[in-house]
Amino acid sequence: ILNVEQSPQSLHVQEGDSTNFTCSFPSSNFYALHWYRWETAKSPEALFVMTLNGDEKKKGRISATLNTKEGYSYLYIKGSQPEDSATYLCASLMDSSYKLIFGSGTRLLVRP
Amino acid sequence: EAQVTQNPRYLITVTGKKLTVTCSQNMNHEYMSWYRQDPGLGLRQIYYSMNVEVTDKGDVPEGYKVSRKEKRNFPLILESPSPNQTSLYFCASSSGGGLYEQYFGPGTRLTVT
Repeated sequence: ILNVEQSPQSLHVQEGDSTNFTCSFPSSNFYALHWYRWETAKSPEALFVMTLNGDEKKKGRISATLNTKEGYSYLYIKGSQPEDSATYLCASLMDSSYKLIFGSGTRLLVRP
Repeated sequence: EAQVTQNPRYLITVTGKKLTVTCSQNMNHEYMSWYRQDPGLGLRQIYYSMNVEVTDKGDVPEGYKVSRKEKRNFPLILESPSPNQTSLYFCASSSGGGLYEQYFGPGTRLTVT
């Protein structure tokens, strides 16, 4: 099994702070990188799916970048709000199969 | 409303008693998948299906069966549940496998005693 690593495991920030976390994945046979937001007692919801090296995507205050050559993606949250508190999951599609490999997530807590 | 539904949402059962967790999607998605989530671990794929009558093993298929007789339904079957299958289970669907975003169901929390 190819590993997808996320760091940090958890993060506490103050409301208004900007923050970022990392997803690392094997760079060989890369096909796609997913980011999901998972709130407690709910199901994961897709934020981004990225496929191209250098890709940048944005949704409101959340953005993501992708470096397929070195095998990492960053998720940025600008001006964190308490409602951003959630676990953020990344997942990598490493070949033409249909198997997504998920990281264990970064748990973000934004204090008011 | 586009959605993935799972039933039951919560289930407590005993070792060896066969059970089925149903999953249904109304988005006409070809691809469906089952995951389990355990503390400290990421979502791990159990089985997936690329289309009707086409299924394949994920990373942790032992102890599970699936079927895909209709496009919208993808039930997960535990023939003889064991305590190590106590977990949170998610069904997901997408329009085209891993290149497209996954739509997740609400989850089924299973406890096997």
